[in-house]
Amino acid sequence: EAQVTQNPRYLITVTGKKLTVTCSQNMNHEYMSWYRQDPGLGLRQIYYSMNVEVTDKGDVPEGYKVSRKEKRNFPLILESPSPNQTSLYFCASSFLLPGQENTEAFFGQGTRLTVV
Amino acid sequence: GQQVMQIPQYQHVQEGEDFTTYCNSSTTLSNIQWYKQRPGGHPVFLIQLVKSGEVKKQKRLTFQFGEAKKNSSLHITATQTTDVGTYFCAGAGGTSYGKLTFGQGTILTVHP
Repeated sequence: EAQVTQNPRYLITVTGKKLTVTCSQNMNHEYMSWYRQDPGLGLRQIYYSMNVEVTDKGDVPEGYKVSRKEKRNFPLILESPSPNQTSLYFCASSFLLPGQENTEAFFGQGTRLTVV
Repeated sequence: GQQVMQIPQYQHVQEGEDFTTYCNSSTTLSNIQWYKQRPGGHPVFLIQLVKSGEVKKQKRLTFQFGEAKKNSSLHITATQTTDVGTYFCAGAGGTSYGKLTFGQGTILTVHP
């Protein structure tokens, strides 16, 4: 089954404790991206990757890191989480770039992160 | 940077009534995409509009892309309880083909 898999689904952590949220897709997609969703703000893009070893900042990259060492995986790293990073996170992938025709993004199930 | 504004934030309708949500971008877009998120779920792709003035229909849903490729709308005719959820527009290609900027979303509630 074609899917984007995020882990964990839920996470409660303490301020400053490094964490990684994993994202994996099995559709051989070139493009992957991370978003955070907060009430009233919609989804905001954190980082995206157009190919292996190619990453770029989205609209809210501060406090986050990503890597794209292989096509299927795109982990999101919070080196020193803070309470303002409490949010619902989504990973997404697509075969083409968002700006191209005939593209559609497939989203993971989401990771609800709480930083206390 | 590129901004996409979406209104209204909330919409409550009686089953059978129509519903419309509007998006407006601060920059000209290469395309606009629409997604639906059911309560507790993840966004699911509905459609992509690419051409200026384009209109597309999916059963009771009608999507429009403005002539200037800066605004878009989604209209649902005769809403059903299965339409409940949050509808997002997402603008692409304004400043970078890699960026996708979502609107704030419209939360639709349908009362039976």
